[in-house]
Amino acid sequence: NAGVMQNPRHLVRRRGQEARLRCSPMKGHSHVYWYRQLPEEGLKFMVYLQKENIIDESGMPKERFSAEFPKEGPSILRIQQVVRGDSAAYFCASSPGGIVPQHFGDGTRLSIL
Amino acid sequence: AQTVTQSQPEMSVQEAETVTLSCTYDTSENNYYLFWYKQPPSRQMILVIRQEAYKQQNATENRFSVNFQKAAKSFSLKISDSQLGDTAMYFCAFMKPEWGMNRDDKIIFGKGTRLHILP
Repeated sequence: NAGVMQNPRHLVRRRGQEARLRCSPMKGHSHVYWYRQLPEEGLKFMVYLQKENIIDESGMPKERFSAEFPKEGPSILRIQQVVRGDSAAYFCASSPGGIVPQHFGDGTRLSIL
Repeated sequence: AQTVTQSQPEMSVQEAETVTLSCTYDTSENNYYLFWYKQPPSRQMILVIRQEAYKQQNATENRFSVNFQKAAKSFSLKISDSQLGDTAMYFCAFMKPEWGMNRDDKIIFGKGTRLHILP
């Protein structure tokens, strides 16, 4: 029973390029959450999605960042025109909903040159 | 607004010793969930233990147990007979039930405690 799958594990981009981070939730999970972990800090909530619906994006920067969770396929976190400050580890978590603990992926480390 | 505070940025203990990681939180809610997550060098987040606020009994999972003091808003994690594989970053987290039903609900994480188990 595969857990939450994120890819790539490590993504390198130059300033101004676009970064796409993918997350496949656990089987049977329809809720996806994205977090950002800056060096030496805790996890910060970014966005919460259900299939084809953004529930809460209050933690996501208004510009350059977007997220989707289509009916088919993984959830995508997209960062346009990346800057050095976007360098971080991005974690995805999933749950079937309700009050169950979330299961996390291994994360994607985004490095901006 | 809810907050979670982990006052120990880093700790080191000898293998086989017992270690306690502290966590305090602030909330006006009466019902909620508290978690400890472990993040080893592989960066995967692993749920260690979960506590429901309405339960008085402290949660226990093998060598891991919590001391939940609701009135004091304290939720410490005790690791007994520590092992080298326990070396990791540990995050304390707070969550309200039915999270996601209200737009201001969040899962709140502390900044973490880096735990080193020394051979």
